Amino acid sequence: AQKITQTQPGMFVQEKEAVTLDCTYDTSDPSYGLFWYKQPSSGEMIFLIYQGSYDQQNATEGRYSLNFQKARKSANLVISASQLGDSAMYFCAMRGVGTSGSARQLTFGSGTQLTVLP
Amino acid sequence: NAGVTQTPKFQVLKTGQSMTLQCAQDMNHEYMSWYRQDPGMGLRLIHYSVGAGITDQGEVPNGYNVSRSTTEDFPLRLLSAAPSQTSVYFCASSYSAGGLTFHGYTFGSGTRLTVV
Repeated sequence: AQKITQTQPGMFVQEKEAVTLDCTYDTSDPSYGLFWYKQPSSGEMIFLIYQGSYDQQNATEGRYSLNFQKARKSANLVISASQLGDSAMYFCAMRGVGTSGSARQLTFGSGTQLTVLP
Repeated sequence: NAGVTQTPKFQVLKTGQSMTLQCAQDMNHEYMSWYRQDPGMGLRLIHYSVGAGITDQGEVPNGYNVSRSTTEDFPLRLLSAAPSQTSVYFCASSYSAGGLTFHGYTFGSGTRLTVV
């Protein structure tokens, strides 16, 4: 079974500073993908960044980067130069190639509520 | 470019009533899923489908029914609503998983359901 753990229910960061949101995962799949989604107060789920388990380099998308440490089974999201609009709930998720169909769907962590302070 | 369309956006039901949450996607995605979101618990998988005519249960399937007669549509039926089904429901779709590249899911805007 797959499991995602986000240990920070809430985080605060000053505008223009960088922030790291933690994510650890557990899976027996040899191949898997890791995702981060943003959910603003309006409720929609916005895809931010993806990392494949065999990718050699950490993924980056603009101000977002994924600090992938495979041996530690961690996939932390780093947001550089935080903006007020970054205030939202952030979810880490994964999907794999497991024998059960559900393992090939997204499994989510419980989320981290990020607040950016002016 | 509609993506994933969910209706309705809001719904209030009385205990014991039944209803169908609609979901449609226009991206020709093979995979479609239903999730529910409850405070402090992230999103949990209710049911999913890997193609037309194929559905299976996720983590929390009790009290829900699905069918997939076309690639585009994946409705979720609440058979007899209970207060424990008060939640936000998301439909999502994706290309199939496999190999070394994993596609993320595209989500609908969600349905906020209250059962009284």
